[in-house]
Amino acid sequence: DSGVTQTPKHLITATGQRVTLRCSPRSGDLSVYWYQQSLDQGLQFLIQYYNGEERAKGNILERFSAQQFPDLHSELNLSSLELGDSALYFCASRGTSGVHGTDTQYFGPGTRLTVL
Amino acid sequence: SQQGEEDPQALSIQEGENATMNCSYKTSINNLQWYRQNSGRGLVHLILIRSNEREKHSGRLRVTLDTSKKSSSLLITASRAADTASYFCATDAAGGSYIPTFGRGTSLIVHP
Repeated sequence: DSGVTQTPKHLITATGQRVTLRCSPRSGDLSVYWYQQSLDQGLQFLIQYYNGEERAKGNILERFSAQQFPDLHSELNLSSLELGDSALYFCASRGTSGVHGTDTQYFGPGTRLTVL
Repeated sequence: SQQGEEDPQALSIQEGENATMNCSYKTSINNLQWYRQNSGRGLVHLILIRSNEREKHSGRLRVTLDTSKKSSSLLITASRAADTASYFCATDAAGGSYIPTFGRGTSLIVHP
């Protein structure tokens, strides 16, 4: 158990809809990263937040947005969903303690999104 | 950011054999990490090697790093069926913000 939680585990929805994925980082971790994993694209970095502020953006579509709240949990909002958005969505928090110091990401179990 | 690329894409071996996976990257790094992912599950951190290190061990795992060739290898010795998973390398670019970028992974199947 990484200590990072994600809900829901599975989400099935229709094209054109909007969904919200939720992530809670490990206790004490300030950074949250969102990744999308699909069969043809591998693991793609979407966006990073640090202590409530957007820190970096990757290959995130304009239809997608995210935020990090004062309690450090994060939400990824996906709107106007398309078939191609079907994927596993992971969040990860960056370690602030332990053997590896601040260099390690801890991944949640993921949310599997299926768009029909 | 940059991307690690794993090779081979897929590897199939018998239990007890060693498995070697390689990772190549493009620019200078602070560190390189290897992760494991069981089918449909989250990534689990295996080992981190810093740019000033050449070799690191953790149990049955051995990682090497050659910064002159911009490559790393992960060796799993005496493999077990439970090692069946996908393995990813992630690089953290030197001088940049901490955004580990991942390759497409090596899919390892260990036959009992």
